[in-house]
Amino acid sequence: DVVMTQSPLSLPVTLGQPASISCRSSQSLVYSDGNTYLNWFQQRPGQSPRRLIYKVSNRDSGVPDRFSGSGSGTDFTLKISRVEAEDVGVYYCMQGTHWPHTFGPGTKVDIK
Amino acid sequence: EVQLVESGGGLVQPGGSLRLSCAASGFTFSSYWMHWVRQAPGKGLVWVSRINSDGSSTSYADSVKGRFTISRDNAKNTLYLQMNSLRAEDTAVYYCARQMGATWGQGTLVTVSS
Repeated sequence: DVVMTQSPLSLPVTLGQPASISCRSSQSLVYSDGNTYLNWFQQRPGQSPRRLIYKVSNRDSGVPDRFSGSGSGTDFTLKISRVEAEDVGVYYCMQGTHWPHTFGPGTKVDIK
Repeated sequence: EVQLVESGGGLVQPGGSLRLSCAASGFTFSSYWMHWVRQAPGKGLVWVSRINSDGSSTSYADSVKGRFTISRDNAKNTLYLQMNSLRAEDTAVYYCARQMGATWGQGTLVTVSS
C-alpha cells in the first residue's frame, strides 16, 4: 500500500497568520492518465470530512480561496494564507491513484 | 442539494453481521463510483471499499476482503455494505462517499462488542 506521511502532526497557529502542511507519498501519485490524484480533506470536530482540494491544486466549490494546494510526484503542500477560527480541525491528505486509496495520519490545526 | 444519508449501524456481537445503507439524492447516482470509508474512535480515515457506477467492479481493503461486500441499487439510488464475521477492530463510524470523497454522508456508528 502507498504510505502517506504528513508533517507536522500538530500545528498551533495564530489567527490571521499563514499555515502550511506537508504531505509525502511512498510512491509517485501520477496516474496512467497523466493526472495526480492527491486530495486534501478537512474534518472539523464532530463533523464528517469535507474535501477542500482535488488533484493537487483544484479547490472544491465553496472552499475559501485562502486554501491552496501544490506539489507534484510524491511531495505536496496545503497552505492556508490567513488562518481563521473556523479552520480548526484535522487535515488529511489522501491519494486516489493507487488502490487501496490511503490517507495520511492527519494534522491537527488549532489556535494558539 | 447533493446528499448522502447512511443507516444501519448499531451494536453487534463479534462474529455477527450488519448491512449498512447509504441513500443518495440530488445527483445522478448511477453515474458515479461510490465508496465506503471508516474511522475508528479517535483515529484516522481508512478506505474500506469502492464500486463502479454500474456495480460491475468492486475493490476492498485487505482488512475486510472476504468478509464485507459492497453493492448498489441504481434504481433505488442506494449503496450498501454487507458486513459479516465482524470483529472488534471493525468498530468505527462508517461513511459513504461519492467520487473519491467529493461528498460524504454523516456516518453511521458500528460497534462490535460482546
